[in-house]
Amino acid sequence: DSGVTQTPKHLITATGQRVTLRCSPRSGDLSVYWYQQSLDQGLQFLIQYYNGEERAKGNILERFSAQQFPDLHSELNLSSLELGDSALYFCASSLSPGADTQYFGPGTRLTVL
Amino acid sequence: GEDVEQSLFLSVREGDSSVINCTYTDSSSTYLYWYKQEPGAGLQLLTYIFSNMDMKQDQRLTVLLNKKDKHLSLRIADTQTGDSAIYFCAEEISSGSARQLTFGSGTQLTVLP
Repeated sequence: DSGVTQTPKHLITATGQRVTLRCSPRSGDLSVYWYQQSLDQGLQFLIQYYNGEERAKGNILERFSAQQFPDLHSELNLSSLELGDSALYFCASSLSPGADTQYFGPGTRLTVL
Repeated sequence: GEDVEQSLFLSVREGDSSVINCTYTDSSSTYLYWYKQEPGAGLQLLTYIFSNMDMKQDQRLTVLLNKKDKHLSLRIADTQTGDSAIYFCAEEISSGSARQLTFGSGTQLTVLP
C-alpha cells in the first residue's frame, strides 16, 4: 500500500459524458501527478500539481482538466468522453517537486461505452 | 523528445537471474526508475538510481546505468514466481519545480517453475 488513494476504482460511462476522478496523496506529500495507461499509448504523464499550483503539463487533452485543492487532494476532470479515453488513470504523489520519488495509487479504470 | 524503450517479453526459470534492459534518449534525465506492475494492480516503485551513479544494489535487485550509452538495466537475482509482472523503466526530467516521468512500454517477465 503506497498511501495514495484513488476513487472510484472503476467507472463506466457513455460517450459525451463527463467524469471526475479523485486522488488523495500520501500524508505530507505536496505534489500530485496524473498519468494515463492505455493499451495503445502505454503510460503517459498528464499533469503535475504542487501545493495547489500547476507545475508541469504532459500529453493532456484540452477536454481534460485537473486541480489540486487546499487540503492537497486532486481531481482530474474528463469531459466530452470518447471511446479512446478508456484507460487506467493513475495518480502519484511525492514530497516535493524536486528530487523525490513518486508513489502511485491503485488507479481508476475508466470504461467509455 | 524523450523516448524510453524496453523489450516486451522475458522468460526465465525460477532461481535464475533476470536482466531487463532499457534505453533512453534524454541525457538531461536526473533520476531513472524501475517500477513493477502486477495484474490488476498499480505501479510499485522498486528502485531508482541517480544519473551520476553507475550501480545501485538493493537486496536481490541490481541497477546498472551506462550514461554514455543511455542504457539502464535491472537484474533480479534468484528470480521467483512472485516476480512475474510487468516492469517499467522511467526517466525523470526535471526543470525547476516541474517534474515529469517518461515510461517505457514495459517488459512482461514470466518466471517458469
